Amino acid sequence: QITLKESGPTLLKPTQTLTLTCSFSGFSLKTNGVGVGWLRQSPGKAPEWLALIYWDDDKRYTPSLQTRLTISKDTSKNQVVLRMTDVEPADTATYYCAHRGKYPILNAYYHVFDHWGQGTLVTVSS
Amino acid sequence: DIQMTQSPSSLSASVGDRVTITCRASQTITSYLNWFQQKPGSAPKLLIYATSTLQDGVPSRFAGGGSGTDFTLTINGLQPADFATYYCQQTYRTPQTFGQGTKLEIK
Repeated sequence: QITLKESGPTLLKPTQTLTLTCSFSGFSLKTNGVGVGWLRQSPGKAPEWLALIYWDDDKRYTPSLQTRLTISKDTSKNQVVLRMTDVEPADTATYYCAHRGKYPILNAYYHVFDHWGQGTLVTVSS
Repeated sequence: DIQMTQSPSSLSASVGDRVTITCRASQTITSYLNWFQQKPGSAPKLLIYATSTLQDGVPSRFAGGGSGTDFTLTINGLQPADFATYYCQQTYRTPQTFGQGTKLEIK
């Protein structure tokens, strides 16, 4: 059974650095094809994809936030960490981590976020 | 970024109705289209991936279709548990992007 849970601060001031931890179980980030992503959702808005880290430590970031984001993993602890620098009120959102699953389709594999954490609300306010 | 546009933004329907939600991509995404269901206070739940494949445990009244730039999510015989917000998502190009959502409400 795959589970993920986000943890981190609930309130930050503008310009501070946000560090979120995703603790997971039921899979290994050493397994070929597996990844863990971070997404966020502002109230009343659609989810926004932020970053993704793969089993081989390859990383991807959304271009609009790339200079402020760092994703990393600790496979021994089954954790993925997202760091966002210089936060502002527009970064107020519920932050989710999600498991990137791998599904066989035809002669290839299809990847999709199939399990999500419960989310953690982060508020940025002075 | 690939823009995803859903229609309608909101929809009122009754239990037992058949409803269809449309999602359009700003460029071709072949079949790299997923659908999520979200209820208030909960994380999005994967319903359909690769345009038309139901995730394990998802009732067969849900169906996905389309290809290229135009996609649909159809729910046949709405149940009370289906009233929620639905999002499409493309995974063809990074950054993955979502539609703005369709809120399905009880009439």
